[in-house]
Amino acid sequence: EVQLLESGGGLVQRGGSLRLSCAASGFNISRQAMIWVRQAPEKGLEWVSTISASGGSIYYADSVKGRFTISRDNSKNTLYLQMNSLRAEDTAVYYCAKVAFALLRPFDYWGQGTLVTVSS
Amino acid sequence: DIQMTQSPSTLSASVGDRVTITCRASQSISTWLAWYQQKPGKAPKLLLYDVSSLQSGVPSRFSGSGSGTEFTLTINSLQPDDFATYYCQQYNTYTWSFGQGTKMELK
Repeated sequence: EVQLLESGGGLVQRGGSLRLSCAASGFNISRQAMIWVRQAPEKGLEWVSTISASGGSIYYADSVKGRFTISRDNSKNTLYLQMNSLRAEDTAVYYCAKVAFALLRPFDYWGQGTLVTVSS
Repeated sequence: DIQMTQSPSTLSASVGDRVTITCRASQSISTWLAWYQQKPGKAPKLLLYDVSSLQSGVPSRFSGSGSGTEFTLTINSLQPDDFATYYCQQYNTYTWSFGQGTKMELK
């Protein structure tokens, strides 16, 4: 059974850093593209970042480019999102998800999310 | 970047109704469109992909249509479990984007 479990969220001051983790089970993340999506309180879904199966292609939304870094540790079957220079507008629930089969495909499995709150 | 616009933002309906949600893309995305359902406090759930293909386990009362820039999600015979928020999403380009969501409310 495919499962994704995020952790690492919490309260951080503006300008601070956090690293989110997404532990995968039931599949090998080294064979799948993976993504982060966030949802601000009472708002819609916003794509944040994608890493291809090979790791050779990485994409970021303009809103986080230069501040966030996506990575993964295949030996731990875990996806990460390093978030630096955090802003109030980064406050959101962050979801990791698996991309179905290939890079330009929908997101077929999602974690339960982890809440990041940036205080000013 | 491709902008996705859903209408309506809120939809009031009753159990048993047939409802339709529309999603428009700012440029052609061919058939690279998915629909997700999200309930409060939960992660989104993939319902349909490639416009009209049902994800495994999704009831057949959900259907999708369209191509290019205009798409629809139809739910036949609305069930109590269907009251949720629905999002369209394009995966035509390497800047994936979602619609703003349509909240389905009980009339």
